[in-house]
Amino acid sequence: DIQMTQSPSSLSASMGDRVTLTCRASQDISNYLAWFQQKPGKAPKSLIYAASSLQSGVPSKFSGSGSGTDFTLTISSLQPEDFATYYCQQYNSYPITFGQGTRLEIK
Amino acid sequence: QVQLVESGGGVVQPGRSLRLSCAASGFTFSSYGMHWVRQAPGKGLEWVAVISYDGSNEYYRDSVKDRFTISRDNSKNTLYLQMNSPRPEDTAVYYCAKDAFHTPADRAIEIDYWGQGILVTVSS
Repeated sequence: DIQMTQSPSSLSASMGDRVTLTCRASQDISNYLAWFQQKPGKAPKSLIYAASSLQSGVPSKFSGSGSGTDFTLTISSLQPEDFATYYCQQYNSYPITFGQGTRLEIK
Repeated sequence: QVQLVESGGGVVQPGRSLRLSCAASGFTFSSYGMHWVRQAPGKGLEWVAVISYDGSNEYYRDSVKDRFTISRDNSKNTLYLQMNSPRPEDTAVYYCAKDAFHTPADRAIEIDYWGQGILVTVSS
């Protein structure tokens, strides 16, 4: 199985900050990488697919990059609604696997 | 708009059976692969299984293989997860989720929509 490792596990940031979250795959997954946002008690929301493409309706403050094994999610100008847990997911091969998540908290 | 509504959750004893359902609307259900993803209390997301748009292909994570079965009824726009011999470690919120586009290819693609989730508790 492909292991997905996210860093950091948690991150404190202030309103208006720009943050970058990292996701590393244990083997080459090309660009078959998605990012999801999840708020407490809610279903995940799809943000990015194919490493850098925004899902419909997702604001451009979210951006993704990377290919192969190393990927990043950048969120600019943090607002209260952005504080949540973010998961990366590889869909290069089955079983699909998720990272352990990065919890983004307000400083 | 796309809606995915799970049902059938609750408390089940270890070794018994439970069937989850996911009622889909707002899109052509028979054209899209569908997934089950779960989340144990306080833990991260864990993919469980996928079924192709026409039901011809299924894939599972190893820990549920031979115990869980994913299926679909395209005439009823409904996805199912039959959980046989559940274990306490299967306790989780179960989400159904939809592939982002139709593909006849036998490979994984991205997810775009998720249901609200349903809690399954395996306990005696």
